[in-house]
Amino acid sequence: KNEVEQSPQNLTAQEGEFITINCSYSVGISALHWLQQHPGGGIVSLFMLSSGKKKHGRLIATINIQEKHSSLHITASHPRDSAVYICAVWPGTASKLTFGTGTRLQVTL
Amino acid sequence: NAGVTQTPKFQVLKTGQSMTLQCAQDMNHEYMSWYRQDPGMGLRLIHYSVGAGITDQGEVPNGYNVSRSTTEDFPLRLLSAAPSQTSVYFCASSPSSSSYNSPLHFGNGTRLTVT
Repeated sequence: KNEVEQSPQNLTAQEGEFITINCSYSVGISALHWLQQHPGGGIVSLFMLSSGKKKHGRLIATINIQEKHSSLHITASHPRDSAVYICAVWPGTASKLTFGTGTRLQVTL
Repeated sequence: NAGVTQTPKFQVLKTGQSMTLQCAQDMNHEYMSWYRQDPGMGLRLIHYSVGAGITDQGEVPNGYNVSRSTTEDFPLRLLSAAPSQTSVYFCASSPSSSSYNSPLHFGNGTRLTVT
């Protein structure tokens, strides 16, 4: 069983829909990252969380440390949001990120 | 600032050949790392470094060497390429060696094919 599980694996939405991507992990962590990988392959850091909630534009990330769960929400989705979204965790004090396999999001007009 | 620069972007090798993937960052970041990305699998850590002169193994280190002689550069060496090393490779850096509290900056990736 992977230490980091993401759901769903694939997601198709229509423009304007509210989107939620989930990430569950099985180890104690220091922080959790949400990353975005565009079709061209580049990876961009969206959020880094150790507690609570963060918002940037139409993106919101939340984390519940007790339940070992994080969600990434996209409000008013747009085709340019189409990408793979990746969750990654820092287990404890180890200097080694562990990644989920990603959620592929396709937003259509 | 250029950020994290990876070269080459694409590479084809024959089995047994060696090569070096270059990674450089101009942000004075302490932490640098190499990952490989394979279909259906998450990014996996190959090697990492928490500062110049310090390197350590990640999850999948076999067949790869690294060195960190300067803060800026973190090359990844394939000693004798094998088809199993066909993958997309990413270099990433972070400001602090306690990088759980710092955002990651990724290079654009190197697509390597070993025939």
